[in-house]
Amino acid sequence: EVQLVQSGAEVKKPGESLRISCKGSGYTFTTYWISWLRQMPGKGLEWMGRIDPTDSYTNYNPSFQGHITISADKSISTAYLQWSSLKASDTAMYYCARIRYCSRTSCYAWFDPWGQGTLVTVSS
Amino acid sequence: EIVLTQSPGTLSLSPGERATLSCRASQSVSSSYLAWYQQKPGQAPRLLIYGASNRATGIPDRFSGSWSGTDFTLTISRLEPEDFAVYYCQQYGSSPYTFGQGTKLEIK
Repeated sequence: EVQLVQSGAEVKKPGESLRISCKGSGYTFTTYWISWLRQMPGKGLEWMGRIDPTDSYTNYNPSFQGHITISADKSISTAYLQWSSLKASDTAMYYCARIRYCSRTSCYAWFDPWGQGTLVTVSS
Repeated sequence: EIVLTQSPGTLSLSPGERATLSCRASQSVSSSYLAWYQQKPGQAPRLLIYGASNRATGIPDRFSGSWSGTDFTLTISRLEPEDFAVYYCQQYGSSPYTFGQGTKLEIK
């Protein structure tokens, strides 16, 4: 069974750093790109960026560029989303999801499957 | 970026009825690169439809997708109790990929 399993909920203070993870199983991790998506409390979904686990090539949504870093370690089939300085407005559920097909030149970027989500709460 | 506007915001129907959900794009979506997702409370979204009209693996055939120009439609032919949820459309024709704001399908 293809699965993405995310790390557990986090409670942090503004200004702290954080890295959350997403581990793939049931498929060859380097065959599919991974995306991260945000869902703020009671709100809709936002695409944050994507990574090719083969060589860690990344693309970011301009709305998130500079505030987050997406990385991957293909040796352990895991992708990461990290912040160097959290803000209260980063409080949200974060999902990783597998992209159907991506290359440097084209993407069929529907998301399936999704991880179960990681709730990040940032509060002083 | 492409803005997707879903309507209605909330749809109140009874089991057995037909549901029609709309998603309008602010500009043309390349090659009908549009997907639909279902999200239940406390769960991650689940892919229903990709390529505007292709059902994902394991999705019942009461779910169907169609489009005309920049207007996309998700139809649930006969509502089952488990279909009451929030539905999102998403375009992947151009980056950044964007989602509609969602339609909540609730039991009448």
